Amino acid sequence: AQTVTQSQPEMSVQEAETVTLSCTYDTSESDYYLFWYKQPPSRQMILVIRQEAYKQQNATENRFSVNFQKAAKSFSLKISDSQLGDAAMYFCAYGSRQGAQKLVFGQGTRLTINP
Amino acid sequence: SAVISQKPSRDICQRGTSLTIQCQVDSQVTMMFWYRQQPGQSLTLIATANQGSEATYESGFVIDKFPISRPNLTFSTLTVSNMSPEDSSIYLCSALGQMNTGELFFGEGSRLTVL
Repeated sequence: AQTVTQSQPEMSVQEAETVTLSCTYDTSESDYYLFWYKQPPSRQMILVIRQEAYKQQNATENRFSVNFQKAAKSFSLKISDSQLGDAAMYFCAYGSRQGAQKLVFGQGTRLTINP
Repeated sequence: SAVISQKPSRDICQRGTSLTIQCQVDSQVTMMFWYRQQPGQSLTLIATANQGSEATYESGFVIDKFPISRPNLTFSTLTVSNMSPEDSSIYLCSALGQMNTGELFFGEGSRLTVL
């Protein structure tokens, strides 16, 4: 079974600075998806960024980018120019491309932005 | 994308009672899932809601406690039966997008408090 580990329960960063959230996963599959989701206090899970394992190029979405290291099974999220609205719980998730395509989530990292 | 509506948004329930959560998607989707998020925790998959057949439950979750229905491609219900305080959680409905990118869309969740 696949597992996802986020080793940083909490992180904080000064507004406008850059922060990196860590995620590692374990799988025997060669083709899969990886995601970062954001959950603000409103509880709504929002997709931040998505990576397909067969793509070597790291995904980027505006201020958000990932460092995907397939061999190391590492998938970190970098947030540049942090904004107050980035404060939330961030969950790393693994998605298989086979079977039911359900997602397995990490424990989450609570990100605080200091003004 | 898919817009998912859940109700109730929150409820306070008495021990021993049951509550049904409804989930409506604004478009036909193939896969729907129910997750539980206990206070301060990550998301744990309860089951995959299968259209026209019995749900597929994850280890640790059983149909008698969490009966699920999915009568069509846009609607599902989750019942939490014979509730105890340990069932106090956020219950999230999710659906796999039509583009099959692996991304799950989520409802805003139903926060249940059991007294």
